[in-house]
Amino acid sequence: SQTIHQWPATLVQPVGSPLSLECTVEGTSNPNLYWYRQAAGRGLQLLFYSVGIGQISSEVPQNLSASRPQDRQFILSSKKLLLSDSGFYLCAWSPGPKAFFGQGTRLTVV
Amino acid sequence: GENVEQHPSTLSVQEGDSAVIKCTYSDSASNYFPWYKQELGKRPQLIIDIRSNVGEKKDQRIAVTLNKTAKHFSLHITETQPEDSAVYFCAAPYYGGSQGNLIFGKGTKLSVKP
Repeated sequence: SQTIHQWPATLVQPVGSPLSLECTVEGTSNPNLYWYRQAAGRGLQLLFYSVGIGQISSEVPQNLSASRPQDRQFILSSKKLLLSDSGFYLCAWSPGPKAFFGQGTRLTVV
Repeated sequence: GENVEQHPSTLSVQEGDSAVIKCTYSDSASNYFPWYKQELGKRPQLIIDIRSNVGEKKDQRIAVTLNKTAKHFSLHITETQPEDSAVYFCAAPYYGGSQGNLIFGKGTKLSVKP
């Protein structure tokens, strides 16, 4: 069966520091992968999606970037975090069209 | 693109009552409508979904109805229990690109009072 791993679960970072969140999927090949962000008490905002290695599409202009160096690996990064980057980040994979989420990373920028 | 509107944003019911959450979507090409439940601090979990060739689907105490003509779909929870308290999200795929990326509603916080 397919599983999705996301880490770390929580992260506290100072403003201006870099960020790297990692997501991996097991049990499937060439999955569609997604990064969502959820601000406190808010909905799920699609940040990036990827249909294959090296293929990244961005949904909103922002301070973040994404990369897919391997088929089942999706990374969310930032060179310099802003306070507004705080939130709950969720990686998801999709066999189309439903989505299955990782456990999430709660990021607090201080 | 796809625009998914969800109402209400908060809903409080007494244990045993029914709860209804409604969503509308804009992309007429959308053909799949999932509902997710997110408990506090946890990931959203798929609880029920419906495809556009079906008008209603039921799974024990939860049901989803779809009106494709009006572009709206609803989640119905009957005989609510305290453990139903969570945030519920509806979603619909946007096919503007080559694939259907799920676009989520803003969520409904359901509180079931014992």
